[in-house]
Amino acid sequence: NAGVTQTPKFRVLKTGQSMTLLCAQDMNHEYMYWYRQDPGMGLRLIHYSVGEGTTAKGEVPDGYNVSRLKKQNFLLGLESAAPSQTSVYFCASRISGGADTDTQYFGPGTRLTVL
Amino acid sequence: GEDVEQSLFLSVREGDSSVINCTYTDSSSTYLYWYKQEPGAGLQLLTYIFSNMDMKQDQRLTVLLNKKDKHLSLRIADTQTGDSAIYFCAESTGGTYKYIFGTGTRLKVLA
Repeated sequence: NAGVTQTPKFRVLKTGQSMTLLCAQDMNHEYMYWYRQDPGMGLRLIHYSVGEGTTAKGEVPDGYNVSRLKKQNFLLGLESAAPSQTSVYFCASRISGGADTDTQYFGPGTRLTVL
Repeated sequence: GEDVEQSLFLSVREGDSSVINCTYTDSSSTYLYWYKQEPGAGLQLLTYIFSNMDMKQDQRLTVLLNKKDKHLSLRIADTQTGDSAIYFCAESTGGTYKYIFGTGTRLKVLA
């Protein structure tokens, strides 16, 4: 049981390049989330998904797209990277229903630098 | 809108108790959480408390909730150097997607 995994761990992009961050979970969780973490700002929600095939915008969605084609995977895309997207990106998941339903489990993060 | 606030830094000596404080604004919060983040790692859930509880104890950790003042605290007894990390307070309202995180408190434990 690997929990929540993220690929890649580090990435450096040039302005205007595109990339996709992959989040995978093996806990059969319904809900998945993408956050970004910036110094002094805590975690801010980018997009989230409440189930396979569904996505929704969070607090800071501009410049990002997401897809949830399979229940276990949640992809975060940057179509045209900007220096303002330099950040650490965290994926999280949680179960729907049952005990501890609101508890999120986090991946180890992806550190992205946009030059 | 909803907000969660924490002080940015705390420094304690090894063996002392640490108390990390958090205030929140959403009176409909159902769960309140404490997460620990070690350098270069993701957030690890330490403990959580349901909003109808005043206190929860888990080994060296004690969580106190004052719902009237919307104040949450985490006490770490006998603080060790391995406790040095960033601690995040977070809240959620049951049945929704939404979580609000604080900015994190960086705990430094001095040997």
